[in-house]
Amino acid sequence: AQSVTQPDIHITVSEGASLELRCNYSYGATPYLFWYVQSPGQGLQLLLKYFSGDTLVQGIKGFEAEFKRSQSSFNLRKPSVHWSDAAGYFCAVLSNSGYSTLTFGKGTMLLVSP
Amino acid sequence: DGGITQSPKYLFRKEGQNVTLSCEQNLNHDAMYWYRQDPGQGLRLIYYSQIVNDFQKGDIAEGYSVSREKKESFPLTVTSAQKNPTAFYLCASSPLTGGTQPQHFGDGTRLSIL
Repeated sequence: AQSVTQPDIHITVSEGASLELRCNYSYGATPYLFWYVQSPGQGLQLLLKYFSGDTLVQGIKGFEAEFKRSQSSFNLRKPSVHWSDAAGYFCAVLSNSGYSTLTFGKGTMLLVSP
Repeated sequence: DGGITQSPKYLFRKEGQNVTLSCEQNLNHDAMYWYRQDPGQGLRLIYYSQIVNDFQKGDIAEGYSVSREKKESFPLTVTSAQKNPTAFYLCASSPLTGGTQPQHFGDGTRLSIL
């Protein structure tokens, strides 16, 4: 079965600094990968997705992610963090069961310091 | 604007009581999903449905029940058999075209035990 690991539970970044959130997946074939963001008490919003093709994908709010098959990783990056980026970030992989279900990582909470 | 509406935003349950969480979407999506979110646990799939009058158990279906009588509605009942129901519940939907469309999320219902 597929799985997603986000090794960092919390990360604190200074405003204006760069950000990288780690995501590792376990999947037998080419994965379909997603990053979602969740503000406190809210639902999840899609940041970006990878299905195939260019391994560097651009998303909303200035985020990008790079798919590296050799490392089974799909890390999320942003060159300059804003205070409004403080939120929970979830990496997910689409199920290989034939249904459109997602397996989520446990998430990384981003804190932004002034 | 199209979207997913979950109600109520906050819900309290007494011991031994069943409660039903509402999820309505006007996105004309075929598939709908229920997730449970606990601190540090990420999102776990409870039930999902790809078509009216059909649904499948997810990873943590015990103590929960669902129905899908209309395309736009997918209510979740938390039964008295669910011994630890306190959590944040998220409903999502997606089109099924190609099976790779991202899921759209509601703003969640927070359930607590009195």
